[in-house]
Amino acid sequence: EDQVTQSPEALRLQEGESSSLNCSYTVSGLRGLFWYRQDPGKGPEFLFTLYSAGEEKEKERLKATLTKKESFLHITAPKPEDSATYLCAVLNAGNNRKLIWGLGTSLAVNP
Amino acid sequence: GAVVSQHPSRVICKSGTSVKIECRSLDFQATTMFWYRQFPKKSLMLMATSNEGSKATYEQGVEKDKFLINHASLTLSTLTVTSAHPEDSSFYICSAKTGVLYEQYFGPGTRLTVT
Repeated sequence: EDQVTQSPEALRLQEGESSSLNCSYTVSGLRGLFWYRQDPGKGPEFLFTLYSAGEEKEKERLKATLTKKESFLHITAPKPEDSATYLCAVLNAGNNRKLIWGLGTSLAVNP
Repeated sequence: GAVVSQHPSRVICKSGTSVKIECRSLDFQATTMFWYRQFPKKSLMLMATSNEGSKATYEQGVEKDKFLINHASLTLSTLTVTSAHPEDSSFYICSAKTGVLYEQYFGPGTRLTVT
């Protein structure tokens, strides 16, 4: 069964303290892996798409990487405004209309 | 680019009434739109997928007569919750994608409260 697991469930960092969020997946052929950021009471905001193992993408303090089993979202020198829930989703090759979502990692960055 | 709007952002209605939620892609043509529900501390739950000009495809367990979806143009989809009940209270979010791209772009969501 296709599945996405994110860890940790919650993470609290001090401003400037770099860390990584994990997204482990099992799918029958990966079409794409997506990272989103969601603020309370808002819809998810698209961050990155990764398609194949070894691929990396960066945006400001965020960097996403992909292997055949998992993806990491690295946050370098986070700021309080990076506080949000980060969601990971995968699209499998067998059914390309439905994303499979993780439960997210709730990140809090203290000033 | 890739902006999706939703209206209203919040709505309170009485049990038994119907509510319509609009989802618009503002700067791109959305060949496919999706409707989700999200419960606290739960992942996004896909309700239905709609392609412009076609009938929506509903996920298992979603009542198509209760959640009416219309995707009449490449920029607009609507979700109507008919005969709403308190258990329909939730956060509803739409998303849209275009052509062969896989990314979905989400609207800001609509908080529905049925009293």
